[in-house]
Amino acid sequence: QVQLQESGPGLVKPSQTLSLTCTVSGGSISSGSYYWSWIRQPAGKGLEWIGRIYTSGSTNYNPSLKGRVTISVDTSKNQFSLKLTSVTAADTAVYYCASFRGSYDYWGQGTLVTVSS
Amino acid sequence: DIQMTQSPSSLSASVGDRVTITCQASQDIRKNLNWYQQKPGKAPKLLIYDASNLETGAPSRFSGSGSGTDFTFTISSLQPEDIATYYCQQYDNLPFTFGPGTKVDIK
Repeated sequence: QVQLQESGPGLVKPSQTLSLTCTVSGGSISSGSYYWSWIRQPAGKGLEWIGRIYTSGSTNYNPSLKGRVTISVDTSKNQFSLKLTSVTAADTAVYYCASFRGSYDYWGQGTLVTVSS
Repeated sequence: DIQMTQSPSSLSASVGDRVTITCQASQDIRKNLNWYQQKPGKAPKLLIYDASNLETGAPSRFSGSGSGTDFTFTISSLQPEDIATYYCQQYDNLPFTFGPGTKVDIK
């Protein structure tokens, strides 16, 4: 059973970079033809797809984030990461990592990131 | 981007009732649609994939149907543990998009 766990700072200052890591256990991040994804959810609101990375390293991002997003993978640590630059209060949300292979069948528990000075 | 709409935005029903939620896509997404259940403070949980396939382990009272632009999610007999928000999600085109959610409550 694949498990995902997000980690990273819970508080980020405006204009700085949000950095999160997702650790995958119960399976290799390099196998299984999964897309490793980030999704976020502001408090009381819906789900927003941020982007994904394939095991080959190819990436896709949501254009709404205007080039502020980078997703990378570290196969040696079985982790993938999210960087979101120039954050504002609008980036305050619960951030989830999830695996996709036709559907999001495995999710992390989510981590709240607050953007505030 | 493909816009997803859901109706109703919320509903209240009695235990044992049949509950139906609709999801509409702004363009043809074939059957590339999934349904998720999210309980407060928890990550979403996959219930239905490819519009009509029940995820392993999900109760059989959940079902889905539809293709193209119009989809339906049904709970055949509402149970107290079904209190949650339900989201549809298209994966036909990037960026993937989710519906705004339907909050289900017990009357």
